[in-house]
Amino acid sequence: KNQVEQSPQSLIILEGKNCTLQCNYTVSPFSNLRWYKQDTGRGPVSLTIMTFSENTKSNGRYTATLDADTKQSSLHITASQLSDSASYICVVSEPGGYQKVTFGTGTKLQVIP
Amino acid sequence: GAGVSQTPSNKVTEKGKYVELRCDPISGHTALYWYRQSLGQGPEFLIYFQGTGAADDSGLPNDRFFAVRPEGSVSTLKIQRTERGDSAVYLCASSLAPPGQGHEQFFGPGTRLTVL
Repeated sequence: KNQVEQSPQSLIILEGKNCTLQCNYTVSPFSNLRWYKQDTGRGPVSLTIMTFSENTKSNGRYTATLDADTKQSSLHITASQLSDSASYICVVSEPGGYQKVTFGTGTKLQVIP
Repeated sequence: GAGVSQTPSNKVTEKGKYVELRCDPISGHTALYWYRQSLGQGPEFLIYFQGTGAADDSGLPNDRFFAVRPEGSVSTLKIQRTERGDSAVYLCASSLAPPGQGHEQFFGPGTRLTVL
């Protein structure tokens, strides 16, 4: 069964600090991996997408990495802000005309002043 | 519309009742997904529509759950004989094409269902 596991489950950091969230997956074959940000009471919003050939991708203060050999991805947040407080969900898609996506359980990040 | 909308935003019902949850996808998006999200968990796949047809309904937990998309746009998730365990946030997402082709899924705000 395809799985996507994330760690840590939750994280509290001080405003201005950096943090890194981890995602390990067993989804195979693999098409792409997305990191989503989900604010409380809202639907997830895509931050980055990476395909098999990409190792790193940035979106402002968010930088995602992908190691397709070890099936690991990370999301690094630089100079955290209070508005970064949210759940971050790793999502992996299989290739083909139609695929289900497999969601991780998310990491709940809280940035405190 | 500007984004995916879902109605109602909150639904409280009694055990055993029937509920319908509505999703309005982004105009032109052929792919539509329903997910269920429990507190502290990631979204759990329920069903996927490509156009009007349910291409994959393997995530529906049992035959009390059913979804339709008769004209290939608006979709309705129907739950019969609701149980307390059905309480969750039901998310709808749409995309221009299947996510495996790199197309982003755009999520609605969800409907929070509470079964008393």
